[in-house]
Amino acid sequence: DAKTTQPNSMESNEEEPVHLPCNHSTISGTDYIHWYRQLPSQGPEYVIHGLTSNVNNRMASLAIAEDRKSSTLILHRATLRDAAVYYCILRDVHQGGSEKLVFGKGTKLTVNP
Amino acid sequence: DSGVTQTPKHLITATGQRVTLRCSPRSGDLSVYWYQQSLDQGLQFLIQYYNGEERAKGNILERFSAQQFPDLHSELNLSSLELGDSALYFCASSAGTSFQETQYFGPGTRLLVL
Repeated sequence: DAKTTQPNSMESNEEEPVHLPCNHSTISGTDYIHWYRQLPSQGPEYVIHGLTSNVNNRMASLAIAEDRKSSTLILHRATLRDAAVYYCILRDVHQGGSEKLVFGKGTKLTVNP
Repeated sequence: DSGVTQTPKHLITATGQRVTLRCSPRSGDLSVYWYQQSLDQGLQFLIQYYNGEERAKGNILERFSAQQFPDLHSELNLSSLELGDSALYFCASSAGTSFQETQYFGPGTRLLVL
């Protein structure tokens, strides 16, 4: 069901950059790449999204490959509060036009002090 | 704080019972989405309502139903509860109908069925 592939877990040190990869080889031309994260005991939280160009916001940067088959979420300086499960998501469209977001298992990021 | 509120935070009930979970979307958002998160299934989309009308359906069981009221708050009704229904239930909202839009999630309701 999930259209993206992410590593199960990654580890980083505090104040170092983190690069979280995502493969989405079946992405369609109109699909945005969405990233959400879920901190422990909280609901998912929007991080960033993009279509073709690299994107920056106050939380992170999103680097999208030229062929759009992969992307990387970049946290420039990880803090302990960035420890979470990070989900890379594409819209899933079924026959008849019904859509949904499919959250895979995501990448569990551990940040070491 | 996403602006989405959910009540109650915790709910403990017995098998066979019925419960209602409530969600208030962000001010101005017309779409409400319901998700179920269990340990073995991850986050699963259940159903979407837009401005009072059902818009999209996911893996929602027939024992579950939802509705969105004129004031845009939504309720998820779970009936004939089974042990396997124990999970976190999240509500999210967005401005429009497209799943390409950012969804803002509430803090969730933790349901325990004994």
